[in-house]
Amino acid sequence: AQSVTQPDIHITVSEGASLELRCNYSYGATPYLFWYVQSPGQGLQLLLKYFSGDTLVQGIKGFEAEFKRSQSSFNLRKPSVHWSDAAEYFCAVWMDSSYKLIFGSGTRLLVRP
Amino acid sequence: KAGVTQTPRYLIKTRGQQVTLSCSPISGHRSVSWYQQTPGQGLQFLFEYFSETQRNKGNFPGRFSGRQFSNSRSEMNVSTLELGDSALYLCASSHGLAGEFADTQYFGPGTRLTVL
Repeated sequence: AQSVTQPDIHITVSEGASLELRCNYSYGATPYLFWYVQSPGQGLQLLLKYFSGDTLVQGIKGFEAEFKRSQSSFNLRKPSVHWSDAAEYFCAVWMDSSYKLIFGSGTRLLVRP
Repeated sequence: KAGVTQTPRYLIKTRGQQVTLSCSPISGHRSVSWYQQTPGQGLQFLFEYFSETQRNKGNFPGRFSGRQFSNSRSEMNVSTLELGDSALYLCASSHGLAGEFADTQYFGPGTRLTVL
């Protein structure tokens, strides 16, 4: 069955430090992958997406993600975290045949001053 | 271009009541999807509408229903509310395309439903 796994429930980093959030997917066909961010009490904001082509994709707010087919991974990275990045991050895979996103369980990012 | 709007933002209901939530998609988008978000179950797909037709439905009881109007606005209805229906209900809109390029869903701020 198709699924998305985010193995880290919480991650704490110091402001200015680098960040990597892990995402693994299980999907039989070519995956279309997304990262969304959710601030408290808010909806989901699209950070970036991968459809095809270059496996390193750039997003908003200085985020990037790398698609690795051999590892079934789509990890999110940022070289220097800002306090405003504290939020919950969701990885998702698009199910083209059923017009829906399947989400991971999310990773909550805490930023130490 | 205005984003996805959802009304109301907050709702408090009691068990047994019914509720209707509204979603206005981004202009030009013909697909509207609904998701339920709870701390225990995370983000779960409810249903998707395209051009007034439901194309897919998630694994929710029949108390959850929806519809889409000719202007692409959508409503979802929950009848006979249960305590477990307390959640953030998110609406997402997209062009509704399938095939070679995945569709990108843009989310609204959500409606926070509390059932007492």
